[in-house]
Amino acid sequence: DGGITQSPKYLFRKEGQNVTLSCEQNLNHDAMYWYRQDPGQGLRLIYYSQIVNDFQKGDIAEGYSVSREKKESFPLTVTSAQKNPTAFYLCASSIVPDQGFKTQYFGPGTRLLVL
Amino acid sequence: AQTVTQSQPEMSVQEAETVTLSCTYDTSESDYYLFWYKQPPSRQMILVIRQEAYKQQNATENRFSVNFQKAAKSFSLKISDSQLGDAAMYFCAYRDLYGGATNKLIFGTGTLLAVQP
Repeated sequence: DGGITQSPKYLFRKEGQNVTLSCEQNLNHDAMYWYRQDPGQGLRLIYYSQIVNDFQKGDIAEGYSVSREKKESFPLTVTSAQKNPTAFYLCASSIVPDQGFKTQYFGPGTRLLVL
Repeated sequence: AQTVTQSQPEMSVQEAETVTLSCTYDTSESDYYLFWYKQPPSRQMILVIRQEAYKQQNATENRFSVNFQKAAKSFSLKISDSQLGDAAMYFCAYRDLYGGATNKLIFGTGTLLAVQP
């Protein structure tokens, strides 16, 4: 079955530690996205990538980094510079046609907690 | 900048009844897309329904339909014959027609729907 997988489901970070969240898709989508979800707020865009080896900052990129070495994979690293990393992280992907909905489909998410 | 507002933090409906969730948005664009996503307790975001602003006909998907009022910038979701499995957080989202390089979705803060048996 085609879809988006995220791992791990839960992740614990110690102070000063970098951690990496995995996102893999087999939908053959060109574009991938990372969102952060906090209680009482909608999703906020961290980073996005329209093509391999290229990515752009979203609205809240500070303290995060990404890479896009393969079309299927878009890992997110939460660095020690992110002072409030506790949140639910969602990865999404979409096709990139010239027109149309370009609907984003989401993975199951990763819950990040700080020890 | 575009914004999306969901003014009902929580709603409740009896099983088999109908409920309407509200969403308003602000944009200066004339063409755009609107979406409703469902987030059940598993927290997986699931697309419920989508609407193109340049289509006057309201979108429907089985028990789900929208009331799209472009002039009022309103995009409400109606759930008919509510089922226990409909209990979830519902998010309204907006995207510009072309989206630029971002294809950026702008989300509301969500409405938590409870379904009473």
